[in-house]
Amino acid sequence: AQSVAQPEDQVNVAEGNPLTVKCTYSVSGNPYLFWYVQYPNRGLQFLLKYITGDNLVKGSYGFEAEFNKSQTSFHLKKPSALVSDSALYFCAVRDSYYGGSQGNLIFGKGTKLSVKP
Amino acid sequence: DSGVTQTPKHLITATGQRVTLRCSPRSGDLSVYWYQQSLDQGLQFLIQYYNGEERAKGNILERFSAQQFPDLHSELNLSSLELGDSALYFCASSVEETGFGNTIYFGEGSWLTVV
Repeated sequence: AQSVAQPEDQVNVAEGNPLTVKCTYSVSGNPYLFWYVQYPNRGLQFLLKYITGDNLVKGSYGFEAEFNKSQTSFHLKKPSALVSDSALYFCAVRDSYYGGSQGNLIFGKGTKLSVKP
Repeated sequence: DSGVTQTPKHLITATGQRVTLRCSPRSGDLSVYWYQQSLDQGLQFLIQYYNGEERAKGNILERFSAQQFPDLHSELNLSSLELGDSALYFCASSVEETGFGNTIYFGEGSWLTVV
């Protein structure tokens, strides 16, 4: 079964410093990986995705993610954090199991990012 | 704004009652997904519809049901509500049924509180 793990419940970063939010995955077949962000009392916003091609994927709001097949990781990164980046971040993998779910997203537990001034 | 519209935004109801959550997908999207977000279970996939037909089921209780109408809007019906059903319910949509690379866009969610 497809799954993702976000090993950190919370990440604390000072404004202006680089940030990394970690995600590892387990899939059978090709991985289709996504990052979403949830601001307080808001819905999930799509940030970026990896389907195929370059291992470094660029997304919205200056975020990027690095796909590493050998380490089965898809870490979210940003060179310089902003206080406004403080939110809940979810890694997800697209379920490709045809016996049941067809293409829905399987989410990690989420990582709370806190950026301090 | 993702283009996915959900109503109502907030709902408070009593145990044993029934509620209906409504979702309008993004223009042109044929697939609609429902997810439940709670503190203890995280984000759980409930059910998917494609062009009016049920396509996939996740961890959806028998007390819950959904449908997608010819105009592609969808409704999630929750009945015999229990305190544990209190959660944020998301609707999401995407353009294709089994296009795994397609992005799924989420609405703002419907907050359900059962008292």
